[in-house]
Amino acid sequence: GAGVSQSPRYKVAKRGQDVALRCDPISGHVSLFWYQQALGQGPEFLTYFQNEAQLDKSGLPSDRFFAERPEGSVSTLKIQRTQQEDSAVYLCASFVGGSTNEKLFFGSGTQLSVL
Amino acid sequence: AQSVSQHNHHVILSEAASLELGCNYSYGGTVNLFWYVQYPGQHLQLLLKYFSGDPLVKGIKGFEAEFIKSKFSFNLRKPSVQWSDTAEYFCAVTTNTGFQKLVFGTGTRLLVSP
Repeated sequence: GAGVSQSPRYKVAKRGQDVALRCDPISGHVSLFWYQQALGQGPEFLTYFQNEAQLDKSGLPSDRFFAERPEGSVSTLKIQRTQQEDSAVYLCASFVGGSTNEKLFFGSGTQLSVL
Repeated sequence: AQSVSQHNHHVILSEAASLELGCNYSYGGTVNLFWYVQYPGQHLQLLLKYFSGDPLVKGIKGFEAEFIKSKFSFNLRKPSVQWSDTAEYFCAVTTNTGFQKLVFGTGTRLLVSP
């Protein structure tokens, strides 16, 4: 597609439920990021992939958060046993990679509400 | 670790007024600086970026920003705002770590009244 696609657009989960958020980056983009944006805050880095390799997961807030990108294209962010503090917009971004002069292309995000 | 401060959380202007949004970062080394904009209901988009060279950077839609290294600042400016500039603006920074791990500020909500 023309841009970064994320699904679902909205997700409501009961506390304790597992959720999976999907990101389809722009075709051919090597690098993929996940960010978490809480209400009234700027996006915060969660994790980074270069192709299928997860090179940095330092931003994942707990071991309940897990991300994968098994074939180097589509990525899934999974949150186990969701808590209310997980409520946020989860943003995916990609860029071609290989140079710091590239710009990130962001998706519209998945808004997660944990009740 | 680097951090970004945006001191103006909400700004209200009338059309044709001049705009300046503050951004300060904390990091002692070489940085790359960005301004992103998020229009209502849309995704984050790059407005402009600074990597090196001329510290006055021009971006899309008439926006510009000036990197002042001695002040650790990268303020965004526009001489005359339009109603369509109503959006949330985020300043962000990366360091030369090999990939674009952006650190964002908390954002400034700009409302331009017609």
